[in-house]
Amino acid sequence: SQQGEEDPQALSIQEGENATMNCSYKTSINNLQWYRQNSGRGLVHLILIRSNEREKHSGRLRVTLDTSKKSSSLLITASRAADTASYFCATESGGSYIPTFGRGTSLIVHP
Amino acid sequence: SQTIHQWPATLVQPVGSPLSLECTVEGTSNPNLYWYRQAAGRGLQLLFYSVGIGQISSEVPQNLSASRPQDRQFILSSKKLLLSDSGFYLCAWSRGNQETQYFGPGTRLLVL
Repeated sequence: SQQGEEDPQALSIQEGENATMNCSYKTSINNLQWYRQNSGRGLVHLILIRSNEREKHSGRLRVTLDTSKKSSSLLITASRAADTASYFCATESGGSYIPTFGRGTSLIVHP
Repeated sequence: SQTIHQWPATLVQPVGSPLSLECTVEGTSNPNLYWYRQAAGRGLQLLFYSVGIGQISSEVPQNLSASRPQDRQFILSSKKLLLSDSGFYLCAWSRGNQETQYFGPGTRLLVL
């Protein structure tokens, strides 16, 4: 079963707007990672946030983690058409050390 | 710098034929290696992972097998492909547990 579940499944916005995607999970985690996948390509790692961290930034990306709510959000500010892709969260929990991926959010940014 | 290669990029195979997909990593040693399958519109399903040569762990029962004959080589195989084996196969590596995974470009397999 999937640990992380992204929400919404699909998001369509205009260039320049901000895009927010959420990830919820069920059990305690060691860390949570966000990945991006362009159509038909491999996944590209964006940000890793550990369970003792609350917020991380990378360029136009901002990731927050709320362990009390078992959720994370990925914010892309001032979106560009090139941000069009699917975004996945992956969680590692317990002693497995194997990341579990959600089904992803499909983001379309219209120029 | 590290790079990960997968081939072939696309493969069309008849039902019942064998399969061999190869993944190699350069620029690092003793990586963790992973094979995932991604169905259309779905997330990634972990198939196998390996923490060292000859050490393979399987996450789900299936028609596939994996081998790690060398430190930076990971092979996904099948003796007889099924229609349900169609999908996008991704190889990934990480430096260890709880570390970032780096993905290859993927192989799209279509079984007819």
